[in-house]
Amino acid sequence: EDQVTQSPEALRLQEGESSSLNCSYTVSGLRGLFWYRQDPGKGPEFLFTLYSAGEEKEKERLKATLTKKESFLHITAPKPEDSATYLCAVQALTGNQFYFGTGTSLTVIP
Amino acid sequence: KAGVTQTPRYLIKTRGQQVTLSCSPISGHRSVSWYQQTPGQGLQFLFEYFSETQRNKGNFPGRFSGRQFSNSRSEMNVSTLELGDSALYLCASSSTQGFGGYTFGSGTRLTVV
Repeated sequence: EDQVTQSPEALRLQEGESSSLNCSYTVSGLRGLFWYRQDPGKGPEFLFTLYSAGEEKEKERLKATLTKKESFLHITAPKPEDSATYLCAVQALTGNQFYFGTGTSLTVIP
Repeated sequence: KAGVTQTPRYLIKTRGQQVTLSCSPISGHRSVSWYQQTPGQGLQFLFEYFSETQRNKGNFPGRFSGRQFSNSRSEMNVSTLELGDSALYLCASSSTQGFGGYTFGSGTRLTVV
């Protein structure tokens, strides 16, 4: 069964304290792995798509990496405005359905 | 360019009633998906429409239904509401059936009392 597991569920960081969020997945053929950011009361906002193991994408303080079984979202020197829930989703080769993890709630303390 | 628009933003209904939610995708996007988001379950896939045809359906009871119109706008309907249907309902659109990711709307917060 296709599934996505994110850890930790919640993470509190001091401003400037770098860390990583994990997304492990099992899927019968990966079409793509997606990272989204969700702020309270809003819909998820697209961050990155990764398609193959070894691929990396960067955007400001965020860097996403992909292996055959998991993806990491590295946050370098975070700021309070990076506080949000980060969601990981996978899309299988068969069908177009996305499977989402339950997210990591990140709080960055000034 | 305008994003994905969902209406209404908030809705309070009584158990047993029915509700219709609306989604206008980004102009030119033909694929629309619906998700239910709850604190415990995260985002659960409801269904996906592409060019007025339902292409995928999640594991929800038949009380949940949807449709897509020729202008790509979509509606979802929930009949005989239950307390457990209280959730944030999110609509997402894509030009390529999700390949490359979806753009989400801000959602409709449904509360069933």
